[in-house]
Amino acid sequence: ETGVTQSPTHLIKTRGQQVTLRCSSQSGHNTVSWYQQALGQGPQFIFQYYREEENGRGNFPPRFSGLQFPNYSSELNVNALELDDSALYLCASSLQGSGANVLTFGAGSRLTVL
Amino acid sequence: AQKITQTQPGMFVQEKEAVTLDCTYDTSDPSYGLFWYKQPSSGEMIFLIYQGSYDQQNATEGRYSLNFQKARKSANLVISASQLGDSAMYFCAMREYSGGGADGLTFGKGTHLIIQP
Repeated sequence: ETGVTQSPTHLIKTRGQQVTLRCSSQSGHNTVSWYQQALGQGPQFIFQYYREEENGRGNFPPRFSGLQFPNYSSELNVNALELDDSALYLCASSLQGSGANVLTFGAGSRLTVL
Repeated sequence: AQKITQTQPGMFVQEKEAVTLDCTYDTSDPSYGLFWYKQPSSGEMIFLIYQGSYDQQNATEGRYSLNFQKARKSANLVISASQLGDSAMYFCAMREYSGGGADGLTFGKGTHLIIQP
């Protein structure tokens, strides 16, 4: 089975720009979630998508938005980038209704905002 | 208030020794799960072990075991016979299920474990 893949692995943007990060879920998973991990910190939950709808959201402003596609892949969009948005963005997939709902993570996209 | 507390920012351990990584949590939800993840320098979070709040036995997965003390709200990870490849960041995380479990995982700040030969 293929794991979670994310692209791009690294990117640099300037303040005020917009960015789109992409994620392919693990085969057989129907739920995708996104996390932001600042340097030296644990990951923070951004939002979760199930059946192409956002069904959970952390404490992030509306300029963080997402999509889930019928093949369960996903995008994270961030508008009006700020310096504090510099972080590792982790995508995770899981199977809703599988009991523990263990997340399988990708290797992340490292965003630098200048 | 922090929901997950990991009090050891860094630890040095000799190869082949056992190591305990501390984690305490805070929740009023009776239904929750506790997870441990390993994050090597490559960045990918690797799932190690899970303990549900209603599980009667402590979870074990190979060299990993979880010392679950519910009354103390403690979920320490024990790694037996440590190996050089165990050097990484280790994160404790919790999911609360009563709201449907869609609120994601809450992570601690992590412990940087270094195994010395």
